[in-house]
Amino acid sequence: EPEVTQTPSHQVTQMGQEVILRCVPISNHLYFYWYRQILGQKVEFLVSFYNNEISEKSEIFDDQFSVERPDGSNFTLKIRSTKLEDSAMYFCASRPPGQGGSGNTIYFGEGSWLTVV
Amino acid sequence: DQQVKQNSPSLSVQEGRISILNCDYTNSMFDYFLWYKKYPAEGPTFLISISSIKDKNEDGRFTVFLNKSAKHLSLHIVPSQPGDSAVYFCAASFQGGSEKLVFGKGTKLTVNP
Repeated sequence: EPEVTQTPSHQVTQMGQEVILRCVPISNHLYFYWYRQILGQKVEFLVSFYNNEISEKSEIFDDQFSVERPDGSNFTLKIRSTKLEDSAMYFCASRPPGQGGSGNTIYFGEGSWLTVV
Repeated sequence: DQQVKQNSPSLSVQEGRISILNCDYTNSMFDYFLWYKKYPAEGPTFLISISSIKDKNEDGRFTVFLNKSAKHLSLHIVPSQPGDSAVYFCAASFQGGSEKLVFGKGTKLTVNP
């Protein structure tokens, strides 16, 4: 069964460093997302991406964050200057085309665990 | 921000019995609801969903019930199996094309053999 794959599975970084989390969405999907889950808290929406641009973003997704689909298969999340509070599990997700804004099934990857020290 | 609430952090059930996981929401603009299952160190896995125009959706052992007037939904698992032990998240999405899923905090289900 096709799946969303993410790398790295775990990354430890120094505060202030840049981090890039990578994702390969399911191949025929056109809508891509990043969510995160801080330990012990809810899964939170960060950003959605469609047709090579951000379609929606949350308050969390400030200027330190950016997303890119550089080569038509990878979908990346960059955190420019990491803070301690960025430590979380980051989930990439995607959904297939052909459905409206609601009523869609979003498929998640296994997550990238980011620890900022 | 508590738009989607799962008030029971944990639930323990005997194998073969019914598991009932509950979820409440406050925003009447939500029009689609989903349940995800999550094992440790894995991403959420889609289980079942329901549109706000329905009050029940069934898929094998899993049934989701929606009570719009009470802003409440529940997931029933019958019969429960030890492999069902996981954290279950309720999620909701908005009308008007928003891409965002709003998640509850999750309920940890333990099914005892």
